Amino acid sequence: DTGVSQDPRHKITKRGQNVTFRCDPISEHNRLYWYRQTLGQGPEFLTYFQNEAQLEKSRLLSDRFSAERPKGSFSTLEIQRTEQGDSAMYLCASSLVRPDTQYFGPGTRLTVL
Amino acid sequence: AQSVTQLDSQVPVFEEAPVELRCNYSSSVSVYLFWYVQYPNQGLQLLLKYLSGSTLVKGINGFEAEFNKSQTSFHLRKPSVHISDTAEYFCAKFTGNQFYFGTGTSLTVIP
Repeated sequence: DTGVSQDPRHKITKRGQNVTFRCDPISEHNRLYWYRQTLGQGPEFLTYFQNEAQLEKSRLLSDRFSAERPKGSFSTLEIQRTEQGDSAMYLCASSLVRPDTQYFGPGTRLTVL
Repeated sequence: AQSVTQLDSQVPVFEEAPVELRCNYSSSVSVYLFWYVQYPNQGLQLLLKYLSGSTLVKGINGFEAEFNKSQTSFHLRKPSVHISDTAEYFCAKFTGNQFYFGTGTSLTVIP
């Protein structure tokens, strides 16, 4: 069990650019979640996959955000035309059984200048 | 609306004193409750969870929490804190296919 990994750990970009983050869950986990966390707040749910199917999306997830999990293993989160308000920590978590424990990755910190 | 409320944003406590971090949640037909801890510059780590059964749940590092359905609360307690317990603590609720997190309580243990 190598844990949940995320890449990159830090990303600085200019407003209007596109960014993509990757999450590798624990290998046998079929459920994968993306969250956003801003300073002084708890993680905010963005989206959820069961295997390759995206089953839930937050209403807060604008059209500029898209997530994929093509083969039910790793997942990517893309933000198009980034805005300063997108600056946050993006967290990925995986779990085996609903509603079992989620294991969180270290996060990707995005800074939009 | 689904919500988790952590009433105390900051809790300072002296070393070896007891502590309680409060959490209230919006009621649901089925609810599963969690406490996570986030140490400085580290990821979220599970402290304990309530899925069903006994309402008193014991977790790691001497923490425990009590599920109270009538008061819709899930307060976290530790009888004697250590310096190493200084961290951010998040209460979370799972319902539907989503987790809902509180805004966190920053626990500072004073030597």
